[in-house]
Amino acid sequence: ETGVTQTPRHLVMGMTNKKSLKCEQHLGHNAMYWYKQSAKKPLELMFVYSLEERVENNSVPSRFSPECPNSSHLFLHLHTLQPEDSALYLCASSQDTGGLFYEQFFGPGTRLTVL
Amino acid sequence: AQSVTQLGSHVSVSEGALVLLRCNYSSSVPPYLFWYVQYPNQGLQLLLKYTTGATLVKGINGFEAEFKKSETSFHLTKPSAHMSDAAEYFCAVKNTDKLIFGTGTRLQVFP
Repeated sequence: ETGVTQTPRHLVMGMTNKKSLKCEQHLGHNAMYWYKQSAKKPLELMFVYSLEERVENNSVPSRFSPECPNSSHLFLHLHTLQPEDSALYLCASSQDTGGLFYEQFFGPGTRLTVL
Repeated sequence: AQSVTQLGSHVSVSEGALVLLRCNYSSSVPPYLFWYVQYPNQGLQLLLKYTTGATLVKGINGFEAEFKKSETSFHLTKPSAHMSDAAEYFCAVKNTDKLIFGTGTRLQVFP
């Protein structure tokens, strides 16, 4: 039990659909992250939020839209995705983005398949 | 810029044998280094981390890693593999405000 939950665990969507991934952390952390994990590639950091403000956006296509309404919740809104967007999407949180309190705690991920 | 290289995308050992997973890093500043494990259909779980102080770091499940500055290495070891250790292992280095991950090493354990 890591204290970070993600829903849904599996999602299949068509290229014209709109869906959202949800992440919730129960650890009292101030920072939250979205990662994309594709086969045979390093984890790709997509977005970083610190105290509900976006502090990192690694040139992610606009078809991915993050939302952080409070420090405990993080969403990833998806629309008009491509088959190459199929991957495991991982959410993580940490107490802070810098210093020694940087340990990230990961959720179980959402396995996304785009048809 | 920081980077991480994990040598060997797959490692196979027999149950009871030594586990050695290799990680080399590149960093222009004293690094914070991490090892994470990912079991099938799960997220990443922190095994151990090095920030400052003792260079031999002990983690969960009997794993340990040694920070060797002269070799820019942070290899992960376990004296005796167990079947339950089969998973993917990721080395990571902290870069200002984010983690840089290696490509991972899949560990197989044979009976």
